[in-house]
Amino acid sequence: DTGVSQNPRHKITKRGQNVTFRCDPISEHNRLYWYRQTLGQGPEFLTYFQNEAQLEKSRLLSDRFSAERPKGSFSTLEIQRTEQGDSAMYLCASSPAQNEQFFGPGTRLTVL
Amino acid sequence: GNSVTQMEGPVTLSEEAFLTINCTYTATGYPSLFWYVQYPGEGLQLLLKATKADDKGSNKGFEATYRKETTSFHLEKGSVQVSDSAVYFCALSAINDYKLSFGAGTTVTVRA
Repeated sequence: DTGVSQNPRHKITKRGQNVTFRCDPISEHNRLYWYRQTLGQGPEFLTYFQNEAQLEKSRLLSDRFSAERPKGSFSTLEIQRTEQGDSAMYLCASSPAQNEQFFGPGTRLTVL
Repeated sequence: GNSVTQMEGPVTLSEEAFLTINCTYTATGYPSLFWYVQYPGEGLQLLLKATKADDKGSNKGFEATYRKETTSFHLEKGSVQVSDSAVYFCALSAINDYKLSFGAGTTVTVRA
């Protein structure tokens, strides 16, 4: 399967803990995006990478959130000191250019 | 800013019924428009797209026409099947932008 993969698929954590999610994009895609989706809503943009450069961060991405894409391949999204409001589905997508974005299955985070 | 408004659900139909999901947008210039579908337990998949005014996107029996004059991109299918049960998201990507702005999603259930 050469689609976008995300790990873990589910994460349950206690409030105040740190969590890290991983996204492996389609190999030839140089653009990578993170979105957050809460129940009953559409995905909301969080951040965007072109190769290893993080070019935009949404104001939704507070200072507790950090994303990296070393070497322009996989990406990680870390949330420090999680809060219950961080509970959501975190989606990763990749694209070869300004074109169709291919989404991964998402990581569902539950903060207790 | 850019935004998408789509018809609220849920929508429940019988097999072979006609489906319309309304979508209108606000954006400067000529955005690209998309319909994504999320089947139960699966990730977002691109259903169809249109990149300029009067373009018609089509796939799997679904169609949507980019109407600049009404800023709309309504999704239609003439005869739905049970397998079309899913959540449908309208989205746009503004010109010279890369991120997608999504509507809230419309849940469609097709009964046999």
